[in-house]
Amino acid sequence: DAKTTQPNSMESNEEEPVHLPCNHSTISGTDYIHWYRQLPSQGPEYVIHGLTSNVNNRMASLAIAEDRKSSTLILHRATLRDAAVYYCLHPHNAGGTSYGKLTFGQGTILTVHP
Amino acid sequence: DVKVTQSSRYLVKRTGEKVFLECVQDMDHENMFWYRQDPGLGLRLIYFSYDVKMKEKGDIPEGYSVSREKKERFSLILESASTNQTSMYLCASSTREKYEQYFGPGTRLTVT
Repeated sequence: DAKTTQPNSMESNEEEPVHLPCNHSTISGTDYIHWYRQLPSQGPEYVIHGLTSNVNNRMASLAIAEDRKSSTLILHRATLRDAAVYYCLHPHNAGGTSYGKLTFGQGTILTVHP
Repeated sequence: DVKVTQSSRYLVKRTGEKVFLECVQDMDHENMFWYRQDPGLGLRLIYFSYDVKMKEKGDIPEGYSVSREKKERFSLILESASTNQTSMYLCASSTREKYEQYFGPGTRLTVT
């Protein structure tokens, strides 16, 4: 998988929106962009994914730049339970059994203040 | 509710012991994965399996082996545990068609 670049850490206040950026300048045309998060003392959990269009689900929104070289995960109203490490990935499907493999970088540590 | 369970949350073993870490998923997923997570290094893929009795090496397979005799169960084996294998071990599963992986709670292994 190619490399993604995320800020090491970000801070937010409770009930405010949070925009978590990710650069993925080497993404190929068919790679989906995925976001996971890892709460303290837990395994990572899937948040959202997208290809070209912006995506919304119950957890977050994903805004993808037109050139697909960057994306932003949006938490519309941060809560204390959103404090976690957020990972941006774009797994490359090289075919065969490589499908499904994820490579996690360092992610962004999100701190939410009451 | 989807579930991936791991046999232990915490495990302490001695150098040279053979260690088995078990993972079970109840979602009928084809793919299963073993990662280790270390401070400053993030999650790294050890092995994965895309079908029963099938396995492929991940990024750091040295010192580990795996077994998948049944679809729902994927075992990680440390043949002779060493102190540098002290880590958090995470198991995950996914369907063959999707990248969405479901993770277990992790096993914190300490090798003394």
